[in-house]
Amino acid sequence: NAGVTQTPKFRILKIGQSMTLQCTQDMNHNYMYWYRQDPGMGLKLIYYSVGAGITDKGEVPNGYNVSRSTTEDFPLRLELAAPSQTSVYFCASSLGQGRSYEQYFGPGTRLTVT
Amino acid sequence: GNSVTQMEGPVTLSEEAFLTINCTYTATGYPSLFWYVQYPGEGLQLLLKATKADDKGSNKGFEATYRKETTSFHLEKGSVQVSDSAVYFCALSYPGAGSYQLTFGKGTKLSVIP
Repeated sequence: NAGVTQTPKFRILKIGQSMTLQCTQDMNHNYMYWYRQDPGMGLKLIYYSVGAGITDKGEVPNGYNVSRSTTEDFPLRLELAAPSQTSVYFCASSLGQGRSYEQYFGPGTRLTVT
Repeated sequence: GNSVTQMEGPVTLSEEAFLTINCTYTATGYPSLFWYVQYPGEGLQLLLKATKADDKGSNKGFEATYRKETTSFHLEKGSVQVSDSAVYFCALSYPGAGSYQLTFGKGTKLSVIP
């Protein structure tokens, strides 16, 4: 199993450019999440999805969009990149059953906006 | 709302020293509690978990006990190794949220020197 994969690993954007961060999981998990991690801070939830076709905002959704057309994929879209979006982005997935609520994380995408 | 507070870092220890990283939480109901570890340049990995009061999670020599009376989930290891150098995150997940989303502490960076 590959688990959760993310592409690209690194990206530099100019202010105002757009890009899509890709996330795929092969564990047949219902729940998927996007987090951002700023230096010295914990992870903050951007968006999440409880299944194909269903998405909802997390704590810091402004400036981002998501879609979930399949169980496996959960791309994150930045429409007009701003320096405040410089961060490391992590995708995660969870089976979403029982009480363990364990989330599995991808390796991250390091994004710099200049 | 839910929140997690963990001790400020960085923490520097000599090899074979005893480790404690404090974590306390605020949540309604009965959350599940987790410790995640992030090695340099990697995503987060689940280290251990506990889903109800008085449960003890353990893995790789690390332990943490879910203490409802003190709302704490302190991480301990009797003898740290250089390979334990990483950032450690305490987190909770509250079933009432419906999304199984995680709330993270800010992380504690541990450096173990030979």
